Amino acid sequence: DAKTTQPPSMDCAEGRAANLPCNHSTISGNEYVYWYRQIHSQGPQYIIHGLKNNETNEMASLIITEDRKSSTLILPHATLRDTAVYYCIVILTGGGNKLTFGTGTQLKVEL
Amino acid sequence: GAVVSQHPSWVICKSGTSVKIECRSLDFQATTMFWYRQFPKQSLMLMATSNEGSKATYEQGVEKDKFLINHASLTLSTLTVTSAHPEDSSFYICSARDLGTGSNEQFFGPGTRLTVL
Repeated sequence: DAKTTQPPSMDCAEGRAANLPCNHSTISGNEYVYWYRQIHSQGPQYIIHGLKNNETNEMASLIITEDRKSSTLILPHATLRDTAVYYCIVILTGGGNKLTFGTGTQLKVEL
Repeated sequence: GAVVSQHPSWVICKSGTSVKIECRSLDFQATTMFWYRQFPKQSLMLMATSNEGSKATYEQGVEKDKFLINHASLTLSTLTVTSAHPEDSSFYICSARDLGTGSNEQFFGPGTRLTVL
């Protein structure tokens, strides 16, 4: 699976959009981009995933560049409860592959 | 949505004893469950992949005789830490993949905090 690179930490004001970048320059054509987050002392929570088109759900939006070498997770109106470590993971399609967690981005949402 | 539970949520045991952790998928069937370990301020590290009705597949460096995994049904996998030592103290997290989809989406349990004295 392709390796991902994320900034170790980011801060965001409550109510503002949080934009979390992820580089995956070695991604191949059949690899998806998945995002999970982990609130302190809890299990990870699935957020969103995409292949090449931008995706949106009730939690977030995922913007994937045209060359697919990077992506951005957008939390449109961050709240204090969004403070967590966010993991960007690239994985092959097909439903049979394990997730490999990197170090992620620690997002701190402040008043 | 799909829910995965773990029991117990935390456990304290003496060195040399064995501890069993249960992972259950509550509203879906999972042929595959995963066990992770997370040390403080570190990321999740996959320990093993648990397949219903067959032997688990362990990641490199994980002792299969120390971390016994049983996946006897489509909704239950157990991890037994045998002869636990203080260095086994960690946050153990399981996840499950929904049998009914071809997605890589995994649903995670809330984790079990193990402290070995």
